[in-house]
Parts: sequence; C-alpha cells; structure tokens
Amino acid sequence: EAGVAQSPRYKIIEKRQSVAFWCNPISGHATLYWYQQILGQGPKLLIQFQNNGVVDDSQLPKDRFSAERLKGVDSTLKIQPAKLEDSAVYLCASSPHYTGELFFGEGSRLTVL
Amino acid sequence: SQQGEEDPQALSIQEGENATMNCSYKTSINNLQWYRQNSGRGLVHLILIRSNEREKHSGRLRVTLDTSKKSSSLLITASRAADTASYFCARNYGGATNKLIFGTGTLLAVQP
Repeated sequence: EAGVAQSPRYKIIEKRQSVAFWCNPISGHATLYWYQQILGQGPKLLIQFQNNGVVDDSQLPKDRFSAERLKGVDSTLKIQPAKLEDSAVYLCASSPHYTGELFFGEGSRLTVL
Repeated sequence: SQQGEEDPQALSIQEGENATMNCSYKTSINNLQWYRQNSGRGLVHLILIRSNEREKHSGRLRVTLDTSKKSSSLLITASRAADTASYFCARNYGGATNKLIFGTGTLLAVQP
C-alpha cells in the first residue's frame, strides 16, 4: 500500500513570496490533516478535512494560509505572503477512521529567508 | 492548554536499558496515541490506547493509561540504537472534531 505522498520535500523562499504544498493521502482515507512542526516542537494542527469538507481550521492563520481538498482526495496548502516565522516542516497525514491512527507523509520543509 | 505535559524532554540511555516516557493531559480523552519521529522524517504511529483500556503491548513497547491521574507512559524495553528518535504522545479529546493534539515530545538517545 502506498503511503502519504507530499511534495516538494524542500522549499526555500524569500519573505512575502508565496508557496504551495501538495499532499496525496492513502487511497480510501477520508480524513486528511495538515500539521505545522517548528523545529524542536510537536506538530500543531492547522486544518482537518473529512472528505472535502473542513472539520477544523481554528488554528489556521487565515490571513495568509489557505487549504483545499478537491474531490475528497488530494490537498494543497498555500501560504501567501510568507513570513519568517512560517519556517517549519508541513506534515500531511491521513486516517481511515475518524478517531484512529494517523499515517504521515515525510513532510515539506519550508525555509523563509 | 489542553496539551498537558510530557517528560522528560530528553533522555539518554545505554543499549539494552529500558526507557520510560510520560504524558499527561488535562481533560477527558477519547484515546491517546504514541508516535515516533526519526530525524528529518514523518511521524510513525506506535500504539493507540482507548480511555477504557489500562495497558497495551506491541513488541518491546508497553503503554499504560491512568485516567484517574490523567497520565500515560510509554516503556521501551531492551532499547536499541535504532530506537533513537523523538517520541510524541497525541491526545484525542473526542467531541465534534476528534482532532489529535500533540505534545512537545521526548528526545530519546540510545548509546551503543
């Protein structure tokens, strides 16, 4: 079974530029998550989708971050404009069950200069 | 904060020794999960323990849950150098979203 795919793995941008991350969850997984992990910290939930509907986006900085999940499968996370403090690893995860274990991708490491 | 605490923040042991990590939480949970993260990689699920369970085992891993103390522990027995990683507990508080809240983790270093 293929795992959660994320791209790009690494991205370096200047502040105020924009960036987009892509995630392809495990086939059949209805729930998809985006987490932000700053160096030395635990993952922080940004947004949670159930199929293509948003379940929770309470910690998503909506003035600069946006996310969508088209047709309940792939998802993209966009940051525009980026700030220095957005430097982090952006982790995508999916789950077959609403309350079950999460399967994570390898993450997309963003450096904002 | 719903996160609670994890301790220790860092732990260094010799191969063959046991490692214990602790996780606390502040309000009732639906389940609690433990994950491992190797440096530069994504998180890997280890064990899920439900609120009505007290102990679960998986290979060299043993997880306990004490709901009266709102705490959980992860024990790794006979540790190996390959166990070197960060370990996170994640709390599922149920409710409308069932979102999973991660703590700050324990960095385990197993010296060969």
